[in-house]
Amino acid sequence: SQKIEQNSEALNIQEGKTATLTCNYTNYSPAYLQWYRQDPGRGPVFLLLIRENEKEKRKERLKVTFDTTLKQSLFHITASQPADSATYLCALANAGNNRKLIWGLGTSLAVNP
Amino acid sequence: DGGITQSPKYLFRKEGQNVTLSCEQNLNHDAMYWYRQDPGQGLRLIYYSQIVNDFQKGDIAEGYSVSREKKESFPLTVTSAQKNPTAFYLCASSLAGGGNTIYFGEGSWLTVV
Repeated sequence: SQKIEQNSEALNIQEGKTATLTCNYTNYSPAYLQWYRQDPGRGPVFLLLIRENEKEKRKERLKVTFDTTLKQSLFHITASQPADSATYLCALANAGNNRKLIWGLGTSLAVNP
Repeated sequence: DGGITQSPKYLFRKEGQNVTLSCEQNLNHDAMYWYRQDPGQGLRLIYYSQIVNDFQKGDIAEGYSVSREKKESFPLTVTSAQKNPTAFYLCASSLAGGGNTIYFGEGSWLTVV
């Protein structure tokens, strides 16, 4: 069956450390993968998009990697800050099928001062 | 400012009533979407529209209806046929075609009383 999975347990890290979140998928042929941030009671906000032929993307303190062999994307936040505390969602667009987005459940990140 | 406006933020519905959630965007996007978010579940697509006067069912369209009479507007009606309507509803928009960022509104909370 097709699945997209993110760490179900909340991630707690100390301020200044690097947070690493995981998004694994099975039985998909992704055209691209996106990462979003969602704060409680608000809509998700786009962070980064990585295509299936790209290995890595960076934006300021954020980095996304995409390994189609491992069927995994990693999302890193370096020099984390308490303001980075939120839920992070990954969304995969399957090749074909109008590239409809399939969403993970999200991983909750708490950065402690 | 450009963006997506959802209203109302909070809505209470009595059993047997239809309610309509408003969604307006001024981003000049062709595509618009409605998602439902429940605790412990990922975003689920209700309906989407890629062009004015056209829309398609998503994964959980039963009990919902939409219209797309104007490019900037995509209202969602939750009908009495929707048996479990209490949820957080998110409207979104994007440029047409795959590989584009999705922009979300702030969401609407619907509670059945």
